[in-house]
Amino acid sequence: ETGVTQTPRHLVMGMTNKKSLKCEQHLGHNAMYWYKQSAKKPLELMFVYNFKEQTENNSVPSRFSPECPNSSHLFLHLHTLQPEDSALYLCASSQGDSSGANVLTFGAGSRLTVL
Amino acid sequence: KNQVEQSPQSLIILEGKNCTLQCNYTVSPFSNLRWYKQDTGRGPVSLTIMTFSENTKSNGRYTATLDADTKQSSLHITASQLSDSASYICVVSGDRNSGNTPLVFGKGTRLSVIA
Repeated sequence: ETGVTQTPRHLVMGMTNKKSLKCEQHLGHNAMYWYKQSAKKPLELMFVYNFKEQTENNSVPSRFSPECPNSSHLFLHLHTLQPEDSALYLCASSQGDSSGANVLTFGAGSRLTVL
Repeated sequence: KNQVEQSPQSLIILEGKNCTLQCNYTVSPFSNLRWYKQDTGRGPVSLTIMTFSENTKSNGRYTATLDADTKQSSLHITASQLSDSASYICVVSGDRNSGNTPLVFGKGTRLSVIA
């Protein structure tokens, strides 16, 4: 384990369901991220939180709603998703933001399938 | 437009052989370049991070090179092992102080090592 834990690892949901992805980091980092990884595409940054405050929202549709109650926990609430939202959702954390030499530590990801 | 291009898209080699993966980027101003290894079903794990002044950096059987003038990097894997089978992702960090996107991801190279 890398110190970043994601649950669930796999999720299948219908387009009208509401579900949530959870991420927890045990590294004492102050920045947390959600990335989307689709087949044959680069990782896409979705949201960034720094000290619990959202610092980036990369034009993500409102059917994805992040929540960061503290520096160790990050959620991604999912509602009325589309089949094209099926992907691997990766959570990451870093000490400081992702620029400079601050290395991202990724979780194992949550594989989402939307039917 | 800031881009990171990786080649080849996929590669199959015999166990024990060497291989080299390529990464070309257009991100400018440049801050650093990172190589990540992503095993199937796992999140990416950092292998190396190289700044502008570093030409070569090794991590065990992995050696990364950087030519900041030509904006090219390579990852050389020596005496490959079955456990090297993974996707290798090149990530370039722009200079945030210049208003640049902090991280630009390549699509990755899928390496398969066979016995």
